[in-house]
Amino acid sequence: DAMVIQNPRYQVTQFGKPVTLSCSQTLNHNVMYWYQQKSSQAPKLLFHYYDKDFNNEADTPDNFQSRRPNTSFCFLDIRSPGLGDAAMYLCATSRGTGEGGYTFGSGTRLTVV
Amino acid sequence: RKEVEQDPGPFNVPEGATVAFNCTYSNSASQSFFWYRQDCRKEPKLLMSVYSSGNEDGRFTAQLNRASQYISLLIRDSKLSDSATYLCVVMGYNTNAGKSTFGDGTTLTVKP
Repeated sequence: DAMVIQNPRYQVTQFGKPVTLSCSQTLNHNVMYWYQQKSSQAPKLLFHYYDKDFNNEADTPDNFQSRRPNTSFCFLDIRSPGLGDAAMYLCATSRGTGEGGYTFGSGTRLTVV
Repeated sequence: RKEVEQDPGPFNVPEGATVAFNCTYSNSASQSFFWYRQDCRKEPKLLMSVYSSGNEDGRFTAQLNRASQYISLLIRDSKLSDSATYLCVVMGYNTNAGKSTFGDGTTLTVKP
């Protein structure tokens, strides 16, 4: 089945140790998004790629970076995770402007110790 | 004021009840509207798009009121499996891709 796959499902990292989360999709959607969701809060958009064009949200900390080496893959790099970065990280895809809604991956739950 | 506001609930209803959620948005230029469902510790899943003409999918009916800037979701004959958080999503197009703003969600618990 076509889908959005995130690995790993659960990630534990040490305070300050760089960590990379991955997302792949078989939908051939040209837009990929990274969201951060903390408990009982709305998903918060960090950035998105429209094809190869990177779009950063103004309030996304510099600690968060992203790479999209090809259509299918997108990575979220957290350079120096802090305790406040513990959250669920959701990857989503859409076709074009997203009028049909998003398809989300199952998320990576990040714990910082 | 938040861009998208929802009553957080929780809504606790018995099986078979009808329940309605409302969501208001502040950006009058918003163009697309959705309801997503999110189960505990899972990803959001698209429930339905929302149109001015209203749309229905089985027990679920969604409605958009552009003049008052709110959308609604009506669930009839609630099932235990409807227990989840329902997220209102509003999308604008001021960038090359649609930018969605999520509400904080409304929690529904359906009880036997």
